[in-house]
Amino acid sequence: KAGVTQTPRYLIKTRGQQVTLSCSPISGHRSVSWYQQTPGQGLQFLFEYFSETQRNKGNFPGRFSGRQFSNSRSEMNVSTLELGDSALYLCASSFFTAGSSYNEQFFGPGTRLTVL
Amino acid sequence: AQTVTQSQPEMSVQEAETVTLSCTYDTSENNYYLFWYKQPPSRQMILVIRQEAYKQQNATENRFSVNFQKAAKSFSLKISDSQLGDTAMYFCAFEEFRTSGSRLTFGEGTQLTVNP
Repeated sequence: KAGVTQTPRYLIKTRGQQVTLSCSPISGHRSVSWYQQTPGQGLQFLFEYFSETQRNKGNFPGRFSGRQFSNSRSEMNVSTLELGDSALYLCASSFFTAGSSYNEQFFGPGTRLTVL
Repeated sequence: AQTVTQSQPEMSVQEAETVTLSCTYDTSENNYYLFWYKQPPSRQMILVIRQEAYKQQNATENRFSVNFQKAAKSFSLKISDSQLGDTAMYFCAFEEFRTSGSRLTFGEGTQLTVNP
């Protein structure tokens, strides 16, 4: 079974631009989560989507948004990019089981975003 | 809010020896999960081991085992018979018990180097 895929793997943007990152979960997985990894702040949770609905949200400004499509693929958008948005953005998918408290998350290889 | 602390930014060990990585956390929750993730240079985040807070028995996965001290809020990872492939950044992570979604809180990470 193919793993979580993220595109593009590397991206360079300039301040003020916007960017869209894509995540394709493992087949059958309906939950997709996004994390930001920076040297200064470490790994921080952005948001989680399930069945096209945002289910959980981290403490990030409104410039960070996402969505999920009916095939469970997810996109993350950052508008008005700032230098501090330079980071590795990781996506993780899980197979949600109703009533289960634990669903292992499988991570993708990440998208490295550089803001100049 | 939950916090996870890893006080060892870097550690090194000789091949075939044993090393222990430390992690402490703070939460008011009684039911939760703790994890150790490994992130090699490829940046692919890989789950190493998981511990359910309601289980008193420490989790073990081959050469990896944990020492879970719930009262002390301590969760250390022991790697036995260290191998060169164990060289990676290791993250301790916390997730509260929930049936409506996933949200991991990560520690700062410990860079482990296994020397030949």
